Amino acid sequence: NAGVTQTPKFQVLKTGQSMTLQCAQDMNHEYMSWYRQDPGMGLRLIHYSVGAGITDQGEVPNGYNVSRSTTEDFPLRLLSAAPSQTSVYFCASSYWGEAFFGQGTRLTVV
Amino acid sequence: ELKVEQNPLFLSMQEGKNYTIYCNYSTTSDRLYWYRQDPGKSLESLFVLLSNGAVKQEGRLMASLDTKARLSTLHITAAVHDLSATYFCAVGETSGSRLTFGEGTQLTVNP
Repeated sequence: NAGVTQTPKFQVLKTGQSMTLQCAQDMNHEYMSWYRQDPGMGLRLIHYSVGAGITDQGEVPNGYNVSRSTTEDFPLRLLSAAPSQTSVYFCASSYWGEAFFGQGTRLTVV
Repeated sequence: ELKVEQNPLFLSMQEGKNYTIYCNYSTTSDRLYWYRQDPGKSLESLFVLLSNGAVKQEGRLMASLDTKARLSTLHITAAVHDLSATYFCAVGETSGSRLTFGEGTQLTVNP
C-alpha cells in the first residue's frame, strides 16, 4: 500500500497564480484533511472532509478550496496565491482519529 | 475552542539523561496522539492514547494520558542521538476525527 500520496513535492508560484495540490489515499479512510505547517506554529487545519461529497472549513481556510468527489482523492486548490501561503502543506487520512500523513508539499509564493 | 500547549518548545539534552515533554489541552477529550517529525520529513505516528490512564511504551519513549488533568506526557529514558526530532502532540475531538496540534517540541540529544 502506498498510504497517502501527495504531489508535487516542491512548487514555486508567482503571486496571483492558481494551482492544485493533489492528495490520494489507498486505505479507504473516510476522513481526510489538509494542514499547513509554518515555523513555530505546529500544524494548522485548512479544510477537512468526513466522506465523499462532504467538506468543511478548518482553522485557516481563507484562500483555499477543496472538493471530495471520491473517497480516495482530496485536492487542495489555491485560488490566487499570496506570499502568506508560502508553507509546507500536509495531507492526511485518518482512522479512528489517528492521522496518516503524506510526504508534504513545500510551496513558495514569490 | 480547543487549545493544545506543549512545553518545553525546545529541549537540548545529553545522551543518557531522562526528560519529560508535557502536553496540556483546554477541553474534554479522551483521545491523544503523539507524532515524530524529522527535519524535512513528514509526521510519523508514535502513540495513540484513547482512555484515561492509558500508558504506552516503545523503546526509550513512554507516553501517558490523564484526561482529568487534561495532560499527556512523553517521557524519554536514557536519551540517544537518534531521538533528536520534533515531537508533536495532537488532541482529538470527542466526536469525529478532527485533530488540534500543539506547537511541537524540538528535541536535540547531544553526545
